[in-house]
Amino acid sequence: DAGVIQSPRHEVTEMGQEVTLRCKPISGHDYLFWYRQTMMRGLELLIYFNNNVPIDDSGMPEDRFSAKMPNASFSTLKIQPSEPRDSAVYFCASSFPLAGGNEQFFGPGTRLTVL
Amino acid sequence: AQSVAQPEDQVNVAEGNPLTVKCTYSVSGNPYLFWYVQYPNRGLQFLLKYITGDNLVKGSYGFEAEFNKSQTSFHLKKPSALVSDSALYFCAVRDTGRRALTFGSGTRLQVQP
Repeated sequence: DAGVIQSPRHEVTEMGQEVTLRCKPISGHDYLFWYRQTMMRGLELLIYFNNNVPIDDSGMPEDRFSAKMPNASFSTLKIQPSEPRDSAVYFCASSFPLAGGNEQFFGPGTRLTVL
Repeated sequence: AQSVAQPEDQVNVAEGNPLTVKCTYSVSGNPYLFWYVQYPNRGLQFLLKYITGDNLVKGSYGFEAEFNKSQTSFHLKKPSALVSDSALYFCAVRDTGRRALTFGSGTRLQVQP
């Protein structure tokens, strides 16, 4: 298996532009998580899905952020409009059902820079 | 609410010496505990986990961790450090009633040759 795939790996954009980050989870995993990592705030959970349904989006910073999972093999995280404070590394992770304490598998991340 | 504390921002150890990276947690129920490692410009990699059973858990790359319920700790250990172990280490916790992990702030391990 190729693991969790994220694209793009790097994104540089200007303030006010729309940004779309993409994630392909590991096949067969039914949980998908989006995290954001910054020096100031560390690793934060933004939202997670179970069987393509958003379960907890309490970590989404504000209405500028939205996430979708149209099918089991694809998810997007969109920022519109983007701001310099959104600059961070965004990770996607997936997991088997967590009832047994299964670990999450992380993608390589997307480094977003908003100028 | 669940939380994780990693009290040390950085741990320095000489190659060949034992290492310990500390983690304490707080959950309302029984904890599921995890350690992850992050190398520069990479995603987090799973090292080991405690779900139930033996308090000493063995994981990848010779790492192990000891679960201590009375001290609510889950310290990461390795008997003999390697320079290649230098990385950022994250402890994470999940209680049985919640699906998402809560991560600590991370500890940078620096192993000197």
